[in-house]
Amino acid sequence: DAEITQSPRHKITETGRQVTLACHQTWNHNNMFWYRQDLGHGLRLIHYSYGVQDTNKGEVSDGYSVSRSNTEDLPLTLESAASSQTSVYFCASSLGTGELFFGEGSRLTVL
Amino acid sequence: GESVGLHLPTLSVQEGDNSIINCAYSNSASDYFIWYKQESGKGPQFIIDIRSNMDKRQGQRVTVLLNKTVKHLSLQIAATQPGDSAVYFCAEINAGGTSYGKLTFGQGTILTVHP
Repeated sequence: DAEITQSPRHKITETGRQVTLACHQTWNHNNMFWYRQDLGHGLRLIHYSYGVQDTNKGEVSDGYSVSRSNTEDLPLTLESAASSQTSVYFCASSLGTGELFFGEGSRLTVL
Repeated sequence: GESVGLHLPTLSVQEGDNSIINCAYSNSASDYFIWYKQESGKGPQFIIDIRSNMDKRQGQRVTVLLNKTVKHLSLQIAATQPGDSAVYFCAEINAGGTSYGKLTFGQGTILTVHP
């Protein structure tokens, strides 16, 4: 069955370190998204991509970057992790409608 | 309904009751609305959607109502079951604009179903 997977599921890191969260989907969806989820803020869009070599900033993109070298993967990189980036991160993909298919989430703690 | 702040709205119901979860959306240009369900420790899952040219849509045990006049969306769950316990999010998008695939999510409502 097609799916979307995130790794790692849990990560603890220190302030200032670079962290990369992986996202891999097998639906062959062109659209991929990264959201962060924090209590009181719901799901907020970090970055998104509409296809290979396309990346765009979302509403909370500062301190994050993504790359899209193939259809299946959209890794999210925190260049220099900050405590404010402690959160649960969700990757999602879609064909283009509003129906997003989400991964199981990656819980990141920055100490 | 949805709210801004640290505390999510909560709804507690007995198994077998009907549940109504409300959402107020903000963008008058939004023309496509979706409800997602998020169980503990998992990613959100699509439940049902509705376009702005409709005011009601029914699925299996779920109904979504849209009132564009007051920018209000509701999700009705019939014969609520313990497995329906989750956080429910509404999401909106201007599907015809440049926000292709980009959803804006509400804060969420916690539904607890008691056996």
